[in-house]
Amino acid sequence: EVQLLESGGGLVQPGESLRLSCAASGFTFNNYAMSWVRQAPGKGLEWVSDISGSSSSTYYADSVKGRFTISRDNSKNTLSLQMSSLRAEDTAVYYCAKAETTAVRKHAFDIWGQGTMVTVSS
Amino acid sequence: DIQMTQSPSTLSASVGDRVTITCRASQSIGSWLAWYQQKPGKAPKLLIYKASTLESGVPSRFSGSGSGTEFTLTIRSLQPDDFATYYCQQYNSYLFTFGPGTKVDIK
Repeated sequence: EVQLLESGGGLVQPGESLRLSCAASGFTFNNYAMSWVRQAPGKGLEWVSDISGSSSSTYYADSVKGRFTISRDNSKNTLSLQMSSLRAEDTAVYYCAKAETTAVRKHAFDIWGQGTMVTVSS
Repeated sequence: DIQMTQSPSTLSASVGDRVTITCRASQSIGSWLAWYQQKPGKAPKLLIYKASTLESGVPSRFSGSGSGTEFTLTIRSLQPDDFATYYCQQYNSYLFTFGPGTKVDIK
């Protein structure tokens, strides 16, 4: 069964850092780009970051550029999001999502994790 | 950045109704559009990609059409399980962007 399982969420103060992880199983992880997508409480979906299967290309939303870093360890089938200088507006459920195709760059998301909640508050 | 809009924002319908949701892009995105269904407290579920390709396992009452800047999601005969929020997403270019969502609730 194809599965994604996020972890690492929690309550942090503004300015602090947090690292999210996503464990993948049931598919050939290094063949697919992966993304992080977040959803603030009661709000819509916001794409955050994307990384190619080989890690050669990474992309970020303007709202997180320079503060968040996406990475992956294909030997461990794990996707990560290092978040620093966190702000109240980063409060959201963070989902990891798998590309629906092995094609580079243009992809929707066919598999999503259950999400992990990040709360930034003093 | 490509902006996505959806209409209506809320739609009240009955079981058996034909429902249409429209998504518009601020510039042409070809057919690089996906539709997702999300229920409260759950992750989004892919329904349609490449504007009109039905994801495996998704009921055939769902269909998508359009290209360029205007797209539609149609639910042919609304079922109780279909009451949810629907999002479109463009993936023609980074930054990927989602529409604001359309909530389909019970009339």
